[in-house]
Amino acid sequence: GENVEQHPSTLSVQEGDSAVIKCTYSDSASNYFPWYKQELGKGPQLIIDIRSNVGEKKDQRIAVTLNKTAKHFSLHITETQPEDSAVYFCAAPPFSNSGNTPLVFGKGTRLSVIA
Amino acid sequence: NAGVTQTPKFRVLKTGQSMTLLCAQDMNHEYMYWYRQDPGMGLRLIHYSVGEGTTAKGEVPDGYNVSRLKKQNFLLGLESAAPSQTSVYFCASSYSWGQGYEQYFGPGTRLTVT
Repeated sequence: GENVEQHPSTLSVQEGDSAVIKCTYSDSASNYFPWYKQELGKGPQLIIDIRSNVGEKKDQRIAVTLNKTAKHFSLHITETQPEDSAVYFCAAPPFSNSGNTPLVFGKGTRLSVIA
Repeated sequence: NAGVTQTPKFRVLKTGQSMTLLCAQDMNHEYMYWYRQDPGMGLRLIHYSVGEGTTAKGEVPDGYNVSRLKKQNFLLGLESAAPSQTSVYFCASSYSWGQGYEQYFGPGTRLTVT
């Protein structure tokens, strides 16, 4: 089945700097890669996603890049702000799996933006 | 439009007690899910439903039961709580299954079993 590895588990950056979180996946047939943001005391919320027919997608200060050959995708946050502090999860669908979950999530990255 | 709501927000149980967590969504979604979130473990799917009256096992179903009697509600039951079930539980819903369909999450229920 699909295995999603996420690094780093914690990340601290100065306000205004960039942050990068990387995920690798194992199922080469996977073709959809979402990123969810979880603020303290709340449920995860989708912030950006990418499909395998594109290599990069941007939405204001956040971007996601995908390398299908290497089977990894990354979240990039530029000009970080205190409100970016949260736990971020990557995910990938187990395309070839037994069908008991629509998404396999990474273990999460706790991002702290220091003012 | 409340999205996905969960009750209760917090609960403390003693080992062996039972309880039911309630999830409700007002987006007319067919698919609903129950996840648990443990430190360093990410989100793991417990059970899911593809429509009213249907349920299926996810990745970690042991010790839990679910029911979907109404399209908008998805209940998670613990018949005999164990300390290993101490966790934060999230309900989610989506229009369809899998690739490309956003999952909408509730605010979570923090459960402690002593």
